[in-house]
Amino acid sequence: EAAVTQSPRNKVAVTGGKVTLSCNQTNNHNNMYWYRQDTGHGLRLIHYSYGAGSTEKGDIPDGYKASRPSQENFSLILELATPSQTSVYFCASGDAGTDAEQFFGPGTRLTVL
Amino acid sequence: GEQVEQLPSILRVQERSSASINCTYENSASNYFPWYKQEPGENPKLIIDIRSNMERKQIQGLIVLLDKKAKRFSLHITDTQPADSAMYFCAASRYAQGLTFGLGTRVSVFP
Repeated sequence: EAAVTQSPRNKVAVTGGKVTLSCNQTNNHNNMYWYRQDTGHGLRLIHYSYGAGSTEKGDIPDGYKASRPSQENFSLILELATPSQTSVYFCASGDAGTDAEQFFGPGTRLTVL
Repeated sequence: GEQVEQLPSILRVQERSSASINCTYENSASNYFPWYKQEPGENPKLIIDIRSNMERKQIQGLIVLLDKKAKRFSLHITDTQPADSAMYFCAASRYAQGLTFGLGTRVSVFP
């Protein structure tokens, strides 16, 4: 099974501050994804990537940037954090292809005060 | 884009009975339909999936049905046990552009 790790696991940030969430996967998957999970909204796709150097906007990209410097690493960046970005963030990875299983990391709980 | 509706939002079933969750999607180009189980404080874990070239798939006590014409898919948990109590999410995907999730079903199995 794919190994997807996230750091930090918990983060408290101040409004207007910059936050970087990191994700690492060790199974050489091409595709990586960032989701957020909120009560009443389920999981929603923020950004995704098809490989190193590529980032694509998902369904709710506003207020977020993504970076994929290598096959293994995919970061989510909040340049100016707001309380509405308080959430649990999940990274996932999967093989290239239209119907490849996605493996989720353990999640990062972010609180913006 | 894609929209996925999932019902019911809450499901209580007696142990050893069956539980059924239904999802509908909008985009006829969607071709992959996974189901995830999530325990409190944990990440979602894939339990079963079905691709658009299939109508039915079974893994032990889990059955997934796909009706492409109606744009509907469903999960059936047979012979439920207390360990089946959790949140369940359906999702749809097209061309590896990420998953669109339903809002989830909280399943509770009581004795």
